[in-house]
Amino acid sequence: GAVVSQHPSRVICKSGTSVKIECRSLDFQATTMFWYRQFPKQSLMLMATSNEGSKATYEQGVEKDKFLINHASLTLSTLTVTSAHPEDSSFYICSAPKEGGRYEQYFGPGTRLTVT
Amino acid sequence: GDSVTQMEGPVTLSEEAFLTINCTYTATGYPSLFWYVQYPGEGLQLLLKATKADDKGSNKGFEATYRKETTSFHLEKGSVQVSDSAVYFCALRNAGNMLTFGGGTRLMVKP
Repeated sequence: GAVVSQHPSRVICKSGTSVKIECRSLDFQATTMFWYRQFPKQSLMLMATSNEGSKATYEQGVEKDKFLINHASLTLSTLTVTSAHPEDSSFYICSAPKEGGRYEQYFGPGTRLTVT
Repeated sequence: GDSVTQMEGPVTLSEEAFLTINCTYTATGYPSLFWYVQYPGEGLQLLLKATKADDKGSNKGFEATYRKETTSFHLEKGSVQVSDSAVYFCALRNAGNMLTFGGGTRLMVKP
């Protein structure tokens, strides 16, 4: 099956700093990628849709200036958490649908962010 | 809007027991239905899917049948193993490729 990678898998940063998380589709092109946030023992919350060549679409309640998304190429989307605070600590997961035939969505392994 | 409701966990079973995790949905049109599994510290993996009514998805001994009349997609396995311990998410996909997830059900299988 298709592979989506995320980097880093874990990151610890200090309050006030920014952290960049990468999401890559390794063997297919993705014009769209999705970013989710997962709180402990809870479901995934869609944060935003990343669109190659255009601005990301943010879900209601998600601060676009805090969670910067850049879809740099057909295989890479980045999520930057700016001026991180402890409440931003979470598990961030990206997914990418593989186009062609019936759309199948593939998930990255997730990035655990801890803000101290 | 679309929504998915699944039974709350945790579900604790002994090895070789029968598993059912209920999932019902509300959606317009004809969504595709999915079960995803998340092992500790990992992202989601597609377990099985069904794209139209009466389809049965199956994988690794797990099965789920798309029931349009009851808007359900219950997950079943005849004999669970310790290695099946994980969180299971029911999801639907309607127009636009976006997935709507249920709240997740944690399964713990004891030897």
